[in-house]
Amino acid sequence: GAVVSQHPSRVICKSGTSVKIECRSLDFQATTMFWYRQFPKKSLMLMATSNEGSKATYEQGVEKDKFLINHASLTLSTLTVTSAHPEDSSFYICSARVPGGWNTEAFFGQGTRLTVV
Amino acid sequence: AQTVTQSQPEMSVQEAETVTLSCTYDTSESDYYLFWYKQPPSRQMILVIRQEAYKQQNATENRFSVNFQKAAKSFSLKISDSQLGDAAMYFCAYRSGPHASGGSYIPTFGRGTSLIVHP
Repeated sequence: GAVVSQHPSRVICKSGTSVKIECRSLDFQATTMFWYRQFPKKSLMLMATSNEGSKATYEQGVEKDKFLINHASLTLSTLTVTSAHPEDSSFYICSARVPGGWNTEAFFGQGTRLTVV
Repeated sequence: AQTVTQSQPEMSVQEAETVTLSCTYDTSESDYYLFWYKQPPSRQMILVIRQEAYKQQNATENRFSVNFQKAAKSFSLKISDSQLGDAAMYFCAYRSGPHASGGSYIPTFGRGTSLIVHP
């Protein structure tokens, strides 16, 4: 299947700082990528849909000024957690959909464990 | 809006035995896809199996098969000859199809079932 690479896999940052997470599609061009947040032993919560060349679409309740998403190229989307707080600590997962119609599934990155201290 | 329900937070199975994970969903659409994803301890989400709603035949991938009951809106996953490497969280997911009015290609996930495999 298609490969989606997420980096870093783990990051620890201090409160008040910003941290950037990258999501790359390695062997296909992804016009759309998705960012999820997963709490321990919980399901995936969609945060936003990242569209190449345009603004991201955020789900209700997700602060777009806090979770900045940039999809500057067809193979890269970034999520920046700004002014991080301990409550932002979580597991963040990106996924990208292989273009080519509806009959395609999304592939997931390895996820990023963010710890804010 | 569509909902996906996994009523079993945790399931256990002995190695080499068979286990079935349950999933039900609610939708008014007739065109959709259903998925089972596996999330092992590494946290990498992996697609296990996919079913198109318009297909009556149950999907099968090696030791993994589904029991798709469209009228009952049920989509269970059967794992045969369970292996230690099958231990993981399993998520059932729903996604609208191209002919669904107002449908979205963004999947809706269930809460997950943790599968424990005993040696």
